[in-house]
Amino acid sequence: DGGITQSPKYLFRKEGQNVTLSCEQNLNHDAMYWYRQDPGQGLRLIYYSQIVNDFQKGDIAEGYSVSREKKESFPLTVTSAQKNPTAFYLCASRTQGSAKNIQYFGAGTRLSVL
Amino acid sequence: AQKITQTQPGMFVQEKEAVTLDCTYDTSDPSYGLFWYKQPSSGEMIFLIYQGSYDQQNATEGRYSLNFQKARKSANLVISASQLGDSAMYFCAMREVGDDKIIFGKGTRLHILP
Repeated sequence: DGGITQSPKYLFRKEGQNVTLSCEQNLNHDAMYWYRQDPGQGLRLIYYSQIVNDFQKGDIAEGYSVSREKKESFPLTVTSAQKNPTAFYLCASRTQGSAKNIQYFGAGTRLSVL
Repeated sequence: AQKITQTQPGMFVQEKEAVTLDCTYDTSDPSYGLFWYKQPSSGEMIFLIYQGSYDQQNATEGRYSLNFQKARKSANLVISASQLGDSAMYFCAMREVGDDKIIFGKGTRLHILP
């Protein structure tokens, strides 16, 4: 079945450690996004990518990094510079050329600090 | 300035009743799109319905309809004949044409009572 797969579902980070969240899609979508959600809050955009080998910072990019080497994959690294990484992380994708530009989401990764 | 406002942090509704979730937005762009997403306790964001600013009719998708009042900058979600499975967080979101980013409101938590 087509969809967006995020892994792992739960992730724990130690102080000073970098961790990478995986996002894979088989929808042949061009654009991909990473959002952060804190309890009781809406989604905030971290990074997005419209094409392979190109990405742009969102509203809260500090302490995060991404890569887009393949159309299907858009991994997010939470670096040690991100001092408050505990949150729910959602990946999304959408196809280009559609007037509606609907974003479809994965099931999310919950990151906690040990 | 906040662009999406959801004034109801939580709502309790009896099963089988209709429910309206409020959303107001702010934009100076005449061309934009409005979205509603559902987030159950599992965390995944599920796309429900889309309304374009130039659409002549209110959008409908099964039990979901969007009460779009352009002059009031209001895009309320109406769920008819509510079911227990409708209990979730609901997010209103907006995208201005030409912008690849979607802005989310803070959400409304809906509880359906048996």
